[in-house]
Amino acid sequence: EDQVTQSPEALRLQEGESSSLNCSYTVSGLRGLFWYRQDPGKGPEFLFTLYSAGEEKEKERLKATLTKKESFLHITAPKPEDSATYLCAVLVTNFGNEKLTFGTGTRLTIIP
Amino acid sequence: EPEVTQTPSHQVTQMGQEVILRCVPISNHLYFYWYRQILGQKVEFLVSFYNNEISEKSEIFDDQFSVERPDGSNFTLKIRSTKLEDSAMYFCASSEALYTEGSTEAFFGQGTRLTVV
Repeated sequence: EDQVTQSPEALRLQEGESSSLNCSYTVSGLRGLFWYRQDPGKGPEFLFTLYSAGEEKEKERLKATLTKKESFLHITAPKPEDSATYLCAVLVTNFGNEKLTFGTGTRLTIIP
Repeated sequence: EPEVTQTPSHQVTQMGQEVILRCVPISNHLYFYWYRQILGQKVEFLVSFYNNEISEKSEIFDDQFSVERPDGSNFTLKIRSTKLEDSAMYFCASSEALYTEGSTEAFFGQGTRLTVV
Protein backbone atom coordinates (compact mmCIF):
# COMPACT_ATOMS: atom_id res chain seq x y z
CA GLU A 1 0.00 0.00 0.00
CA ASP A 2 1.26 3.47 -0.88
CA GLN A 3 2.27 5.47 2.17
CA VAL A 4 3.35 9.05 2.73
CA THR A 5 4.77 10.12 6.09
CA GLN A 6 5.57 13.69 7.01
CA SER A 7 7.69 14.89 9.91
CA PRO A 8 7.62 16.67 12.18
CA GLU A 9 3.87 16.97 12.81
CA ALA A 10 4.35 20.51 14.05
CA LEU A 11 7.25 22.94 13.98
CA ARG A 12 7.62 26.32 15.67
CA LEU A 13 10.40 28.59 14.43
CA GLN A 14 11.50 32.10 15.19
CA GLU A 15 11.28 34.49 12.29
CA GLY A 16 14.48 34.10 10.27
CA GLU A 17 15.27 30.63 11.65
CA SER A 18 15.76 28.25 8.71
CA SER A 19 14.68 24.60 8.84
CA SER A 20 13.49 21.63 6.77
CA LEU A 21 10.33 19.58 6.57
CA ASN A 22 10.51 15.92 5.61
CA CYS A 23 8.26 13.74 3.47
CA SER A 24 9.12 10.07 3.14
CA TYR A 25 7.18 7.78 0.86
CA THR A 26 6.67 4.17 -0.06
CA VAL A 27 4.95 3.84 -3.41
CA SER A 28 5.04 1.37 -6.25
CA GLY A 29 6.43 3.57 -8.99
CA LEU A 30 6.55 7.26 -8.11
CA ARG A 31 5.20 9.41 -10.95
CA GLY A 32 5.53 12.71 -9.13
CA LEU A 33 5.74 14.31 -5.69
CA PHE A 34 3.83 17.45 -4.86
CA TRP A 35 4.07 20.05 -2.13
CA TYR A 36 1.02 22.08 -1.18
CA ARG A 37 0.42 24.80 1.37
CA GLN A 38 -2.85 24.78 3.30
CA ASP A 39 -4.11 27.66 5.39
CA PRO A 40 -6.76 26.99 8.07
CA GLY A 41 -10.19 26.39 6.54
CA LYS A 42 -8.85 26.65 2.98
CA GLY A 43 -8.05 24.29 0.16
CA PRO A 44 -4.52 23.13 -0.65
CA GLU A 45 -2.50 25.63 -2.68
CA PHE A 46 0.02 24.20 -5.11
CA LEU A 47 3.70 24.91 -4.50
CA PHE A 48 5.92 22.43 -6.38
CA THR A 49 6.00 19.26 -8.42
CA LEU A 50 9.10 17.07 -8.46
CA TYR A 51 9.38 14.16 -10.86
CA SER A 52 12.78 12.57 -10.47
CA ALA A 53 15.46 12.01 -7.83
CA GLY A 54 17.92 14.88 -7.72
CA GLU A 55 15.39 17.43 -8.90
CA GLU A 56 15.12 20.73 -7.03
CA LYS A 57 12.60 23.56 -7.29
CA GLU A 58 12.64 26.97 -5.62
CA LYS A 59 10.04 29.63 -4.92
CA GLU A 60 10.87 32.63 -2.76
CA ARG A 61 12.00 31.27 0.64
CA LEU A 62 11.08 27.67 -0.19
CA LYS A 63 13.14 24.98 -1.88
CA ALA A 64 11.97 21.43 -2.49
CA THR A 65 14.31 18.52 -3.14
CA LEU A 66 13.68 14.88 -4.00
CA THR A 67 15.55 11.62 -3.44
CA LYS A 68 14.44 8.08 -4.16
CA LYS A 69 12.87 7.74 -0.72
CA GLU A 70 12.04 11.22 0.51
CA SER A 71 11.58 14.86 -0.20
CA PHE A 72 12.57 17.88 1.81
CA LEU A 73 11.00 21.31 1.89
CA HIS A 74 13.65 23.76 3.02
CA ILE A 75 12.51 27.07 4.42
CA THR A 76 15.12 29.81 4.50
CA ALA A 77 14.70 32.84 6.77
CA PRO A 78 10.96 32.32 7.18
CA LYS A 79 8.48 35.10 7.86
CA PRO A 80 5.24 34.93 9.88
CA GLU A 81 3.24 34.76 6.65
CA ASP A 82 4.88 31.39 5.93
CA SER A 83 2.87 29.93 8.82
CA ALA A 84 0.61 27.21 7.40
CA THR A 85 0.30 23.46 7.11
CA TYR A 86 2.55 22.06 4.39
CA LEU A 87 1.25 18.96 2.66
CA CYS A 88 3.21 16.43 0.66
CA ALA A 89 1.45 14.19 -1.85
CA VAL A 90 2.59 11.48 -4.23
CA LEU A 91 1.11 10.89 -7.63
CA VAL A 92 -0.08 7.35 -8.12
CA THR A 93 -1.30 6.00 -11.43
CA ASN A 94 -3.50 3.00 -12.04
CA PHE A 95 -4.22 2.01 -15.63
CA GLY A 96 -3.91 5.61 -16.75
CA ASN A 97 -5.98 7.03 -13.89
CA GLU A 98 -4.28 9.37 -11.48
CA LYS A 99 -4.79 10.31 -7.87
CA LEU A 100 -2.82 12.09 -5.19
CA THR A 101 -2.03 10.32 -1.93
CA PHE A 102 -1.40 12.89 0.80
CA GLY A 103 0.62 12.85 3.99
CA THR A 104 -0.81 14.23 7.22
CA GLY A 105 1.10 17.49 6.89
CA THR A 106 3.49 19.58 8.97
CA ARG A 107 1.95 22.51 10.80
CA LEU A 108 4.51 25.31 10.64
CA THR A 109 4.31 28.33 12.94
CA ILE A 110 6.70 31.25 12.51
CA ILE A 111 6.95 33.44 15.59
CA PRO A 112 7.70 37.14 14.99
CA GLU B 1 -6.75 34.20 -11.95
CA PRO B 2 -9.06 31.25 -12.63
CA GLU B 3 -10.26 29.34 -9.61
CA VAL B 4 -12.37 26.38 -8.57
CA THR B 5 -15.51 27.52 -6.78
CA GLN B 6 -17.37 25.41 -4.23
CA THR B 7 -20.78 25.99 -2.67
CA PRO B 8 -21.91 26.08 0.02
CA SER B 9 -18.92 26.88 2.19
CA HIS B 10 -20.60 25.20 5.17
CA GLN B 11 -23.48 22.74 5.25
CA VAL B 12 -25.16 21.31 8.33
CA THR B 13 -27.44 18.35 7.81
CA GLN B 14 -29.35 15.79 9.83
CA MET B 15 -28.08 12.22 9.82
CA GLY B 16 -29.83 10.25 7.08
CA GLN B 17 -30.50 13.27 4.88
CA GLU B 18 -29.21 13.68 1.37
CA VAL B 19 -26.73 16.45 0.57
CA ILE B 20 -25.36 17.77 -2.68
CA LEU B 21 -22.06 19.59 -2.73
CA ARG B 22 -21.44 21.77 -5.74
CA CYS B 23 -18.30 22.73 -7.59
CA VAL B 24 -17.57 24.87 -10.61
CA PRO B 25 -14.22 23.72 -12.04
CA ILE B 26 -11.98 25.92 -14.13
CA SER B 27 -13.62 26.25 -17.52
CA ASN B 28 -11.10 24.57 -19.83
CA HIS B 29 -10.27 21.73 -17.43
CA LEU B 30 -11.18 18.18 -18.30
CA TYR B 31 -10.36 16.17 -15.19
CA PHE B 32 -12.30 16.56 -11.97
CA TYR B 33 -11.73 15.21 -8.49
CA TRP B 34 -13.28 15.09 -5.06
CA TYR B 35 -11.16 14.77 -1.95
CA ARG B 36 -12.16 14.94 1.68
CA GLN B 37 -10.38 15.87 4.90
CA ILE B 38 -11.73 14.81 8.26
CA LEU B 39 -10.75 17.33 10.94
CA GLY B 40 -7.15 16.79 11.97
CA GLN B 41 -6.57 14.05 9.42
CA LYS B 42 -5.02 13.89 5.99
CA VAL B 43 -6.58 14.78 2.67
CA GLU B 44 -8.05 11.61 1.13
CA PHE B 45 -8.91 10.86 -2.48
CA LEU B 46 -12.54 10.01 -3.17
CA VAL B 47 -13.12 9.96 -6.91
CA SER B 48 -11.86 11.16 -10.26
CA PHE B 49 -14.10 11.97 -13.22
CA TYR B 50 -13.32 12.37 -16.90
CA ASN B 51 -15.37 12.36 -20.06
CA ASN B 52 -18.63 12.16 -18.11
CA GLU B 53 -17.72 9.05 -16.21
CA ILE B 54 -15.87 7.96 -13.10
CA SER B 55 -12.23 7.17 -13.82
CA GLU B 56 -11.31 5.85 -10.42
CA LYS B 57 -12.81 5.75 -6.94
CA SER B 58 -11.46 4.92 -3.51
CA GLU B 59 -12.86 2.46 -1.01
CA ILE B 60 -14.42 5.41 0.79
CA PHE B 61 -16.60 6.16 -2.24
CA ASP B 62 -19.28 3.56 -1.62
CA ASP B 63 -22.85 3.31 -2.90
CA GLN B 64 -23.92 6.28 -0.77
CA PHE B 65 -21.81 8.59 -2.93
CA SER B 66 -22.35 9.67 -6.51
CA VAL B 67 -20.93 12.34 -8.79
CA GLU B 68 -22.44 14.11 -11.73
CA ARG B 69 -21.67 16.81 -14.23
CA PRO B 70 -25.24 17.94 -14.90
CA ASP B 71 -24.29 20.71 -17.32
CA GLY B 72 -21.18 22.20 -18.87
CA SER B 73 -20.01 23.97 -15.75
CA ASN B 74 -21.05 22.22 -12.53
CA PHE B 75 -19.61 19.11 -10.91
CA THR B 76 -21.53 17.71 -7.96
CA LEU B 77 -20.98 15.21 -5.17
CA LYS B 78 -24.11 13.66 -3.70
CA ILE B 79 -24.27 11.77 -0.44
CA ARG B 80 -27.58 9.91 -0.30
CA SER B 81 -27.95 9.15 3.38
CA THR B 82 -25.42 11.00 5.48
CA LYS B 83 -23.74 9.45 8.50
CA LEU B 84 -21.98 11.17 11.38
CA GLU B 85 -18.65 9.97 10.02
CA ASP B 86 -19.26 11.84 6.77
CA SER B 87 -18.54 15.08 8.62
CA ALA B 88 -15.47 16.51 6.92
CA MET B 89 -14.18 19.20 4.60
CA TYR B 90 -14.83 18.20 1.00
CA PHE B 91 -12.54 19.60 -1.68
CA CYS B 92 -13.18 19.69 -5.38
CA ALA B 93 -10.20 19.89 -7.73
CA SER B 94 -9.74 20.14 -11.47
CA SER B 95 -6.87 19.85 -13.89
CA GLU B 96 -6.37 20.60 -17.54
CA ALA B 97 -4.76 17.26 -18.29
CA LEU B 98 -3.30 14.27 -16.55
CA TYR B 99 -0.05 14.98 -14.72
CA THR B 100 1.62 12.40 -16.90
CA GLU B 101 0.44 14.29 -19.97
CA GLY B 102 2.23 17.44 -18.88
CA SER B 103 -0.18 19.12 -16.50
CA THR B 104 1.67 20.32 -13.46
CA GLU B 105 -1.05 20.87 -10.93
CA ALA B 106 -4.59 20.30 -9.87
CA PHE B 107 -6.36 23.41 -8.64
CA PHE B 108 -8.29 22.92 -5.42
CA GLY B 109 -11.39 24.79 -4.32
CA GLN B 110 -11.79 26.32 -0.90
CA GLY B 111 -13.84 23.39 0.30
CA THR B 112 -17.28 22.72 1.77
CA ARG B 113 -17.38 21.95 5.46
CA LEU B 114 -20.06 19.28 5.96
CA THR B 115 -21.34 18.77 9.48
CA VAL B 116 -23.71 15.85 10.07
CA VAL B 117 -25.68 16.05 13.32
